[in-house]
Amino acid sequence: AQKVTQAQTEISVVEKEDVTLDCVYETRDTTYYLFWYKQPPSGELVFLIRRNSFDEQNEISGRYSWNFQKSTSSFNFTITASQVVDSAVYFCALSEQWGSQGNLIFGKGTKLSVKP
Amino acid sequence: KAGVTQTPRYLIKTRGQQVTLSCSPISGHRSVSWYQQTPGQGLQFLFEYFSETQRNKGNFPGRFSGRQFSNSRSEMNVSTLELGDSALYLCASSERLAGATRTGELFFGEGSRLTVL
Repeated sequence: AQKVTQAQTEISVVEKEDVTLDCVYETRDTTYYLFWYKQPPSGELVFLIRRNSFDEQNEISGRYSWNFQKSTSSFNFTITASQVVDSAVYFCALSEQWGSQGNLIFGKGTKLSVKP
Repeated sequence: KAGVTQTPRYLIKTRGQQVTLSCSPISGHRSVSWYQQTPGQGLQFLFEYFSETQRNKGNFPGRFSGRQFSNSRSEMNVSTLELGDSALYLCASSERLAGATRTGELFFGEGSRLTVL
């Protein structure tokens, strides 16, 4: 069965610290997609990144970087030099190739608080 | 381009009533998905519609239903409300590409927060 685990429920850091959000997934499919979404207090989920299972290259986008390791079934997200605006709940999600495109399996989320 | 619009944003109902929530997807998006978000269960998939047809359904009782109109707008309905239905209901839209190519990116609205008393 598919499953996404975000073991960190809440993380609190001081501005400018680096922080890594962990995500571990389970799937029997060889082709799948992994996502990270950010949910600010307004409620909408904001797409951050999508990765397919054949692309293990790490990605960097500004202060954000993602580390995808199939060997450990992990897709971790690092924010470098965190800012107060990064405070939000972050969700990791999984979608399988033959599943519905709109059906993402989400982790329980990690609430990040960045204090000034 | 306008984002996904959900109405109403907040509503309060009592047990036994029914509720209808509306979602207008991004222009050009033909796929609409609905999710329920609660503190206990997190984000759970309800159903997905494409071209007015339900394509996939999550593990929810039959009290939860939905539909999609020809303009891709979607509604979901919950009948005989229970206290446990209190949640944030999120709608997401996406492009749906032909064949095996998928964008994989869902665009979410801000949600409709339902409180059942």
